[in-house]
Amino acid sequence: KAGVTQTPRYLIKTRGQQVTLSCSPISGHRSVSWYQQTPGQGLQFLFEYFSETQRNKGNFPGRFSGRQFSNSRSEMNVSTLELGDSALYLCASRPSTADGEKLFFGSGTQLSVL
Amino acid sequence: GESVGLHLPTLSVQEGDNSIINCAYSNSASDYFIWYKQESGKGPQFIIDIRSNMDKRQGQRVTVLLNKTVKHLSLQIAATQPGDSAVYFCAENFAPGSARQLTFGSGTQLTVLP
Repeated sequence: KAGVTQTPRYLIKTRGQQVTLSCSPISGHRSVSWYQQTPGQGLQFLFEYFSETQRNKGNFPGRFSGRQFSNSRSEMNVSTLELGDSALYLCASRPSTADGEKLFFGSGTQLSVL
Repeated sequence: GESVGLHLPTLSVQEGDNSIINCAYSNSASDYFIWYKQESGKGPQFIIDIRSNMDKRQGQRVTVLLNKTVKHLSLQIAATQPGDSAVYFCAENFAPGSARQLTFGSGTQLTVLP
């Protein structure tokens, strides 16, 4: 079974631009979560989607948004990019949002904002 | 809010020795904990998990211990190998009964010396 796939692997943008990152979960997984990873802040939760609905949201500004499609694939968007948005963005999937369901992570998209 | 923290940012062990990575958590309501391993350039990889109704759980070469009295979690790796070199994160499943999210600790860099 293929793992979580994230595209692109690397991305370079300039301040003020917007970016869209893509995530394909493991087949059969209906929940997709997004995390931001930086050296200073570690892994921080962005949001989780299940059945095309946002179920939970972390403490990030409204410039960060996401969506999930009927095939469970997910995208996240960051508008008006800032230098501080440079990070590794990780997508993770799990079968459902039930208790004890562990997350399976992709390799991430490394975003650099210049 | 409450968060998961780690006692040591780095740990070096000799190949063949046992490793112990510690984690302190502050949310007494958390009832599920996970350890992840992250190698350079990759996303976090699941190692082992434990529910709060357990004190110990064993996997292949790994053991997780949970001490709810002092809110402490540890990961023991037996016969540490070079391939174990990575950053290790503990995570707690936050907010039982409501929208859950994994809250990650800051990570411990494990280096295995030849």
